[in-house]
Amino acid sequence: QSVLTQPPSVSGAPGQRVTISCTGSSSNIGAGYDVHWYQQLPGTAPKLLIYGNSNRPSGVPDRFSGSKSGTSASLAITGLQAEDEADYYCQSYDSSLSGTWVFGGGTKLTVL
Amino acid sequence: QVQLQESGPGLVKPSGTLSLTCAVSGGSISSSNWWSWVRQPPGKGLEWIGEIYHSGSTNYNPSLKSRVTISVDKSKNQFSLKLSSVTAADTAVYYCARVVVPAAPAHWFDPWGQGTLVTVSS
Repeated sequence: QSVLTQPPSVSGAPGQRVTISCTGSSSNIGAGYDVHWYQQLPGTAPKLLIYGNSNRPSGVPDRFSGSKSGTSASLAITGLQAEDEADYYCQSYDSSLSGTWVFGGGTKLTVL
Repeated sequence: QVQLQESGPGLVKPSGTLSLTCAVSGGSISSSNWWSWVRQPPGKGLEWIGEIYHSGSTNYNPSLKSRVTISVDKSKNQFSLKLSSVTAADTAVYYCARVVVPAAPAHWFDPWGQGTLVTVSS
């Protein structure tokens, strides 16, 4: 059971917009800790997609955007493309249990 | 551009110790970064194991702390993971990653190594 809750799966047709939610609590996202997002293509290592809630590393298309509000964060992908089909994970810090870096359970994005 | 590469045995016997090394290239392990281990059981999500600074300071996941040791070898520009008393539940792909900490507690992982599968089985 992950400290950060993500939907197991989302789907969308090419060109559409999808969002992936990441719900936490008062000991992590709600406490003001930043949320970061990773993309894991099939059979590969995770890759940083969004850092500091809404910042894109160099090379990440502006079709990807992140936001945070209250105890939740969201990743939005616009203009969906076939190569976006992957697993997406959110990550933050949790101040309970001596403090630890925590991940969401992951969301499988299927491009229809 | 920093690159990381994990290495170590792919098979460990139950109750034994898992040992992995992460070689860092394209940058110094003595830079102002932490260095971390993350694992992913087959078909499951990511779990942070722990991290180390070049000074030797460490932080561990409380759920694994009693079994984990992370060390650094600055002369070889690498860091290592030891996980003792392993069971089948420790079977996973183990990733090493650089930790970016612009200002605590902001902290993210970039880049990641390609990962190495470790199976715990007799």
